[in-house]
Amino acid sequence: DIQMTQSPSSLSASVGDRVTFTCRASQNINTFLNWYQQKPGKAPKLLIEAASSLQSGVPSRFSGSGSGTDFTLTINSLQPEDFATYYCQQSHTTVITFGQGTRLDIK
Amino acid sequence: QVLLQESGPRLVKPSETLSLSCSVSGASLSGFYLSWIRQSAGKGLEWIGRIYTSGTPTYNPSFSSRVTMSIDTSKTQFSLRLKSVIDADTAVYFCARGPMGAGWFDPWGQGSLVIVSS
Repeated sequence: DIQMTQSPSSLSASVGDRVTFTCRASQNINTFLNWYQQKPGKAPKLLIEAASSLQSGVPSRFSGSGSGTDFTLTINSLQPEDFATYYCQQSHTTVITFGQGTRLDIK
Repeated sequence: QVLLQESGPRLVKPSETLSLSCSVSGASLSGFYLSWIRQSAGKGLEWIGRIYTSGTPTYNPSFSSRVTMSIDTSKTQFSLRLKSVIDADTAVYFCARGPMGAGWFDPWGQGSLVIVSS
């Protein structure tokens, strides 16, 4: 299975900050990479698919980039509702795998 | 707007079979598949498998010896059965929709906590 490694595992930031999360795949996945946001007690919510395509309704302060093995999710001008855990997920292979998540806390 | 909702027993004894249902409402799943994903403290998010409205399943090899997915004739009720459960199968189980030809999941159900304990 393709291993997805996210870094950092946690991050503290303030409202208004710009933050970047990293996701690395154990092998080339082209752009078959999706990002999710999960808040406590809730299901994950799809933010970005195919590495950089923003889902309808997701604020434009979220952006994704990357291809191959290295990907980033950036949030510009953090808002209070953005504090959550973020997961990457690859869909290059039949067996879909997720990263372990990056928890974003308020500083 | 499609809505997914999981249901099933919260408590399952070790060695028994976990059975969950996912009810789909608001839209047809035509052109989509239904995946089951679980989340546990120990393993994080794990994709268990998916099933198309045709009834053809694809399982994660990690679960394939124990899992069965099915769909009823109305194509609005999906089932997950996981046999011979152990403590490590304690998790929140989600159903989620995904488009054929793409690998993302949206939307997800709210999740169903299943605890394996005697």
